[in-house]
Amino acid sequence: TQLLEQSPQFLSIQEGENLTVYCNSSSVFSSLQWYRQEPGEGPVLLVTVVTGGEVKKLKRLTFQFGDARKDSSLHITAAQPGDTGLYLCAGASDTGNQFYFGTGTSLTVIP
Amino acid sequence: KAGVTQTPRYLIKTRGQQVTLSCSPISGHRSVSWYQQTPGQGLQFLFEYFSETQRNKGNFPGRFSGRQFSNSRSEMNVSTLELGDSALYLCASSPGQGRADTQYFGPGTRLTVL
Repeated sequence: TQLLEQSPQFLSIQEGENLTVYCNSSSVFSSLQWYRQEPGEGPVLLVTVVTGGEVKKLKRLTFQFGDARKDSSLHITAAQPGDTGLYLCAGASDTGNQFYFGTGTSLTVIP
Repeated sequence: KAGVTQTPRYLIKTRGQQVTLSCSPISGHRSVSWYQQTPGQGLQFLFEYFSETQRNKGNFPGRFSGRQFSNSRSEMNVSTLELGDSALYLCASSPGQGRADTQYFGPGTRLTVL
């Protein structure tokens, strides 16, 4: 059983479209991170959210942490081929001793 | 500043053999974590080291072991390899004391077990 479930698992869209990726759990996290991983590389941190309800923007990417700190979403506006990759959410337990990665969302943006 | 380096990048072994993977963290980082990534299971946590001490361990059999040296470099060893051990093994270093801190990943070692 995965502690952090991401949906959708796979997503293939046309350049210019918008999309949202979800990261859900029944557990509360003290912080949540989003990573992007490109083929042949390790994941790269995009953002960390720590406060319930927090919204952070990174150019065309908008990240939101749920009010109850159990879920998060990543919204991409006007997707570009360079956004292609595996998106991973990761959460830290309240104690900070446990850290879990989500199941991942593989995004393909078609030119 | 150089990133996290992992050696070797690719490795092919046969069942029953053992393998040692190496990770050099970013200079100044004392926390190193190891993960196994497979298409079916995603990113699974193996172990976490800080200042040569193992702080946390994931749910993997005893065939998987690791250590960290005084210069923060880390190695992981897998003995008696099984086909299911084929995976991308990722190492990450952190400037803080744990995985909840920002982690910087290396490119990984792709292990294939035949």
